[in-house]
Amino acid sequence: DSGVTQTPKHLITATGQRVTLRCSPRSGDLSVYWYQQSLDQGLQFLIHYYNGEERAKGNILERFSAQQFPDLHSELNLSSLELGDSALYFCASSLSGGRQYFGPGTRLTVL
Amino acid sequence: DAKTTQPPSMDCAEGRAANLPCNHSTISGNEYVYWYRQIHSQGPQYIIHGLKNNETNEMASLIITEDRKSSTLILPHATLRDTAVYYCIVLRGAGSYQLTFGKGTKLSVIP
Repeated sequence: DSGVTQTPKHLITATGQRVTLRCSPRSGDLSVYWYQQSLDQGLQFLIHYYNGEERAKGNILERFSAQQFPDLHSELNLSSLELGDSALYFCASSLSGGRQYFGPGTRLTVL
Repeated sequence: DAKTTQPPSMDCAEGRAANLPCNHSTISGNEYVYWYRQIHSQGPQYIIHGLKNNETNEMASLIITEDRKSSTLILPHATLRDTAVYYCIVLRGAGSYQLTFGKGTKLSVIP
């Protein structure tokens, strides 16, 4: 158990819909990272938040957005969903450096 | 961040040492070598990291060549639970620490 929690575990929705994925970092960790893992693209970095502020953006689509709240939990919002957005979404938390603790992921299926 | 090259797959007999190589010939002086693994579709798990010197922890050993252009992750006594995809990642030691995952090495531990 990494100490990082993600909800929901599974999400099935239709194209065009909007969903919110939630991540609670390990106690004391200020950084939250979001990654997407799809069959064709592998594991890709999406966005990094540190203590409520956006620190870095990766290959995140404009339809996707994220935020980190004062209690340090983070949400990833995916809108106008397409079939290709079906993937595993992981969040990871870190206190500092490259050692990150990953959550169990949310499996999103867009039908 | 420097690119890495890993063999796509390797087999190892249970109980034997697994030696996973990684080439990172363009690594810079301030870049660290990190190893993560992903068991099936679970969240990636941190294994070990190093800068110049060899490192050992309860999971593995990391051997970095003197010129730092390659490294080897050693699992001293592989078990079936070590079957996973292993990722070698080079990370600059400053700023945002987003992880860039390549295709990794699929290690199969055989009974």
